[in-house]
Amino acid sequence: DAKTTQPNSMESNEEEPVHLPCNHSTISGTDYIHWYRQLPSQGPEYVIHGLTSNVNNRMASLAIAEDRKSSTLILHRATLRDAAVYYCILRVANFGNEKLTFGTGTRLTIIP
Amino acid sequence: DAGITQSPRHKVTETGTPVTLRCHQTENHRYMYWYRQDPGHGLRLIHYSYGVKDTDKGEVSDGYSVSRSKTEDFLLTLESATSSQTSVYFCAITTRAGETGELFFGEGSRLTVL
Repeated sequence: DAKTTQPNSMESNEEEPVHLPCNHSTISGTDYIHWYRQLPSQGPEYVIHGLTSNVNNRMASLAIAEDRKSSTLILHRATLRDAAVYYCILRVANFGNEKLTFGTGTRLTIIP
Repeated sequence: DAGITQSPRHKVTETGTPVTLRCHQTENHRYMYWYRQDPGHGLRLIHYSYGVKDTDKGEVSDGYSVSRSKTEDFLLTLESATSSQTSVYFCAITTRAGETGELFFGEGSRLTVL
């Protein structure tokens, strides 16, 4: 499975945008880029995913580099509730069988 | 809410005893997964199921077995628990197949093996 590299931790001020980077230099053409986050004492939750184009949803935006070797999760206005571990994951398109491989993620701290 | 419940949520047991964790879903989804989470390792896939009586191994399946006799229940069994199996166990389901394929996770089961 292709691997991803993320910083271990990041800090951001409340109400400011946050850019969480992810490198995936060995990504293949059929790998989707997924992001999950895990709040304290909870299971991971889906945030966003994309293949080639930038994506937006109610939680975040995903910016994908043109060569697809890196991506950035953007939280437009961080709140204290966004403090979590964020995981960048590559998923091989396989109908219904989502064997995602989680790394150790980026621990995001929000400073009030 | 994808209707996933895990039981028990917390368990303390002794080395060598059998342990079964249960994952129950209410929405009739085909795919179910068991992960474990340990400090420094993120989440690692133990076993998964793609239908009743259809299961397969994940990345860290040694020492674990699973069963799925009904769509709604996916059981994870430690036949003889060891201290290395102390972990938080998460069940997950896929609510939609295909491109999106997002996973929904349960709240976790914390297992301590003394």
